[in-house]
This record gives sequence, C-alpha cells and structure tokens, in this order.
Amino acid sequence: EDQVTQSPEALRLQEGESSSLNCSYTVSGLRGLFWYRQDPGKGPEFLFTLYSAGEEKEKERLKATLTKKESFLHITAPKPEDSATYLCAVQGGSEKLVFGKGTKLTVNP
Amino acid sequence: NAGVMQNPRHLVRRRGQEARLRCSPMKGHSHVYWYRQLPEEGLKFMVYLQKENIIDESGMPKERFSAEFPKEGPSILRIQQVVRGDSAAYFCASSPPGPGYGYTFGSGTRLTVV
Repeated sequence: EDQVTQSPEALRLQEGESSSLNCSYTVSGLRGLFWYRQDPGKGPEFLFTLYSAGEEKEKERLKATLTKKESFLHITAPKPEDSATYLCAVQGGSEKLVFGKGTKLTVNP
Repeated sequence: NAGVMQNPRHLVRRRGQEARLRCSPMKGHSHVYWYRQLPEEGLKFMVYLQKENIIDESGMPKERFSAEFPKEGPSILRIQQVVRGDSAAYFCASSPPGPGYGYTFGSGTRLTVV
C-alpha cells in the first residue's frame, strides 16, 4: 500500500528564515510526486510535480527536490504570505493520489 | 477558463437526511476524484470516476455512500441517512486522462450534520 509521511507536523519560522519540509514515501512504481499548498477553508492548490529521483523544480521562494525515498520542499527567505499547510502526495500503480497529513507552516513577520 | 466547481460550499443536514454534493470538472478533464478531509487529518481518497463509469471506489464506505458521473451534468456524491461522523470537508478534483498529471481541486463542500 502506498504511504506518505510528512514532517514536521507544524513549523514556525521568522520572516526570512529558510527551512525545509520533508515528505517520505513508499510506493510501488512511482509515477509522480506532487506538492500542494492549502489555505484555511480552501481547496489544495497545485505547486509541483516531480517524476524521477534527482529532479528539481522551483517557483518563487519554493524549491522541490526528489530522491528515491523522499522529497523536500525548501523555502528560501519565507514571507508571511507563505503561511499555509503544504501537502505531499504520490501516484503509484493506480490513478489516485495518496496524500500525507501535511505540514502547517507559519511565518511570523 | 473556470476551474473545478463544487456546490454547495456549505451544507447543513440533520441526522438521517440525505446530502448531495455536486462537482463540475475543469473543461477538458475527464477524470473526477472525490476526497474527504477531517480536521487534523489528511485528504482521504474516496472514489475515482470517468464518464458513466466508477473506476476505483476502494475508499468509499460500503453503506450509505454512492457516487456517479453521468454522461451529461456534474458528478454527484450522495450520502444517505447522514450521521454526525459524516461531518467533514469533501473535495472534488479533476485531471486530464493519463498518469502523471496533478489534480485540480475545487473549493470543497463543508458538510455539517446536526
């Protein structure tokens, strides 16, 4: 069974303080690893898809990386508007995405 | 280009009533997925549908829950005889055909059972 574990559950940063979120996964035949951002009361918003180990993608202050066992979401010089819950998901042999419980990020000004 | 449309945004039902949640996928997307999210929990897969077909319903409770995606019209998630434990946010997502595509999510329907 495909599984995703995200850590930490919650993270508080000061504005400008860079850090990383972790997503560990087990999947039979990875077809894609996905990062989403979710704001309170809203649906998840797509950020990145990574397909193979060694791949990296960037968007503004966010950079996602992938190894054979985990993915990291690096946040460089975060701003208060980056505060959200970040979700990681994997797609294996079936079409469905299996999600982790997320990391709740709070960036204080 | 409208995104995934879900309605209603909020739904209140008394115990024993039926809840019907609607989802219109993005234009060009033929795959629809329903997920449930409880407070402090992750998104839990419920069902995956294509037009007129249920492809994977491995996450659906065996009783009271059903889903459809007719040839015309939105996808419907139906919960019969609701109980307090059904209170949650229900999200619909859609994707193009084929593996490796991320989902586009709707804003969700928040069901409260009183």
